[in-house]
Amino acid sequence: DIVLTQTPLSSPVTLGQPASISCRSSQSLVHSDGNTYLSWLHQRPGQPPRLLIYKISNRLYGVPDRFSGSGSGTDFTLKISGVEAEDVGVYYCMQATQFPPYTFGQGTKLEIK
Amino acid sequence: DVQLVESGGGLVQPGGSLRLSCAASGFSFSRYRMGWVRQAPGEGLEWVASIKQDGSEKYYVDSVRGRFTISRDNAKNSLYLQMNTLKNEDTAVYHCARDREYSDSSPFDCWGQGTLVRVSS
Repeated sequence: DIVLTQTPLSSPVTLGQPASISCRSSQSLVHSDGNTYLSWLHQRPGQPPRLLIYKISNRLYGVPDRFSGSGSGTDFTLKISGVEAEDVGVYYCMQATQFPPYTFGQGTKLEIK
Repeated sequence: DVQLVESGGGLVQPGGSLRLSCAASGFSFSRYRMGWVRQAPGEGLEWVASIKQDGSEKYYVDSVRGRFTISRDNAKNSLYLQMNTLKNEDTAVYHCARDREYSDSSPFDCWGQGTLVRVSS
């Protein structure tokens, strides 16, 4: 199974400042169809997860453009250009290239300093 | 609005059984693969099972294969998870989630609130 490792596990950020989360895969996430099925999800306390970004860098409809995804192969990054209060919670990367199973990173907790 | 609403969770003893249901609305249910993802208390996300649009293929994480059965009823826009021989480590919130529509789609663009399953004696 593909293992996804996120860093950092916790990220205290000042409001308005940028934040960055890394996700490293144990294997290349490039699928035989040419796509890379790496997604980012956000979970606020007491809420279900919400898909933010799919296929590395595509924002779901309604996701603010302060969120951006990048990367290739085995290394991926989620960036928030200026953190807002509503961005707190846990961020997960997830791979859907090698299925089954789908696998998730262990999560990165974003909190306000 | 797309909506997924789970039910059926509760407290069960080790070795017991439980059946979860997920009622879908606001989209064409039969066009999507559907899945279950769980989250143990204070822990991360773990995919549990998925089922193809017509129910012809089912996929499971190793830890539940042989104990859990995923199924669906497209006429009722409903997804199910039959959980047998439950273990303490199955304790989690179980989320119903919309999986892929096409082979090159990305999964889990919509999630239910979840239903809590507690396995304890």
